[in-house]
Amino acid sequence: NAGVTQTPKFQVLKTGQSMTLQCAQDMNHNSMYWYRQDPGMGLRLIYYSASEGTTDKGEVPNGYNVSRLNKREFSLRLESAAPSQTSVYFCASRLSGNTIYFGEGSWLTVV
Amino acid sequence: GENVEQHPSTLSVQEGDSAVIKCTYSDSASNYFPWYKQELGKRPQLIIDIRSNVGEKKDQRIAVTLNKTAKHFSLHITETQPEDSAVYFCAASIGQGAQKLVFGQGTRLTINP
Repeated sequence: NAGVTQTPKFQVLKTGQSMTLQCAQDMNHNSMYWYRQDPGMGLRLIYYSASEGTTDKGEVPNGYNVSRLNKREFSLRLESAAPSQTSVYFCASRLSGNTIYFGEGSWLTVV
Repeated sequence: GENVEQHPSTLSVQEGDSAVIKCTYSDSASNYFPWYKQELGKRPQLIIDIRSNVGEKKDQRIAVTLNKTAKHFSLHITETQPEDSAVYFCAASIGQGAQKLVFGQGTRLTINP
């Protein structure tokens, strides 16, 4: 079991470029999440997917889109990256009502 | 609103002493309250969790208490050790179906030898 796998681990983007963060889990979890963590701050929920085929906004959805491709995969897209989106991004998954498991994180810098 | 407040933001204790971190939440439908530990450059890792039908839970040196009436829960670490130094986050399940997990702002705990 790999758990939650996210790619890429590190990325540098220029302002205005687009990119997609990929996330996959092999634990047969229903729910998947994308969080961002800024230096010295907590984890803020961007989007989540309670089950395959559904997605909902979290606390800070502006500037992002998501796709729940199937039960395993949940991607996060930045259409036009901005310096304010420089952050560490964590994907996570959860079996309903239970523990949430995080991926290792993706370090994104927008210059 | 749907938010979780966590205090203090930093905490420094002597090795062997106890540490307490407190969180409050706003959604009365919240039913799941985990605590995570995050070391520098690593992912958050679950250390203990509690559900709304339980008032207290212990796991060796770590305990969590929940007061549903007051909407607050706390993490207690006893006999602290240097390896307990990390950032700790509380979280609460909120929203429809309690599917969203919202985190507190974090507490940087430093254990002084």
